[in-house]
Amino acid sequence: AQSVAQPEDQVNVAEGNPLTVKCTYSVSGNPYLFWYVQYPNRGLQFLLKYITGDNLVKGSYGFEAEFNKSQTSFHLKKPSALVSDSALYFCAVRDGRNYQLIWGAGTKLIIKP
Amino acid sequence: DAGVTQSPTHLIKTRGQQVTLRCSPKSGHDTVSWYQQALGQGPQFIFQYYEEEERQRGNFPDRFSGHQFPNYSSELNVNALLLGDSALYLCASSLGTGGIGGYTFGSGTRLTVV
Repeated sequence: AQSVAQPEDQVNVAEGNPLTVKCTYSVSGNPYLFWYVQYPNRGLQFLLKYITGDNLVKGSYGFEAEFNKSQTSFHLKKPSALVSDSALYFCAVRDGRNYQLIWGAGTKLIIKP
Repeated sequence: DAGVTQSPTHLIKTRGQQVTLRCSPKSGHDTVSWYQQALGQGPQFIFQYYEEEERQRGNFPDRFSGHQFPNYSSELNVNALLLGDSALYLCASSLGTGGIGGYTFGSGTRLTVV
C-alpha cells in the first residue's frame, strides 16, 4: 500500500537554529514528492517538489528537501528558522496509478523566539 | 490574482441537506482535484476531473459527486449530509492529470454540518 509517514506530530525549534521535518514514503514506481505548508484556517501552500534530478531540492521561503531513495525519505530542512515558519507542514506523494496525492498526517512546527 | 478560487469560504448546513461547493482553477490549468481535510488530519482525495469527466476517485461514497465545466471550473456536490462530512474541502488545480508541474490549492471551503 502506498503511504506517507510523518513520524513527529510536533517539532520545536529555537529561532535561528536549523530545522528538520521528517517524511518517509512507500510508493510503487518513481515517487513524485511534495511539501506543503498550511497556516490556520487556510489552504495548502506549495513549498517544493521532487520529480527527478538532483536529490537536493530548493523551494520557497528558504526551505529545501533531500530525496533519499535508499531510505525512502524526503526530509524538509531550513538552515535558520524564523518565528513566521511556525505552521503545519504536510508531506505528500503522488500515487503512480491514479495520480492522487497521498498525504502524511502533518507536523506542527513551532519556532520559539 | 490567477490562483485557485473557492466559494463559499464557510458554510453551515443541516444533516440531510445537500451542498454545492465551487472551484475556479488557476489560469492555465485544466485539471481539478477535490480533497476533504478533517480537523487535525491530512487531506483525503475525493476525485479528479479532466476534460469534463471524472478521471479518478478516492474512497468516498456516491453521495459525493462532481462536475467540470468547459471553462475548467468545477463543482463538488454532497447529498444527504452527515455530521461526519464536516471538514475543510480543498480544491487543487494542475496542468494535466499527472501533476508533474505541481498542484495549486485554494484556501478551501469550511463546511459545518449540524
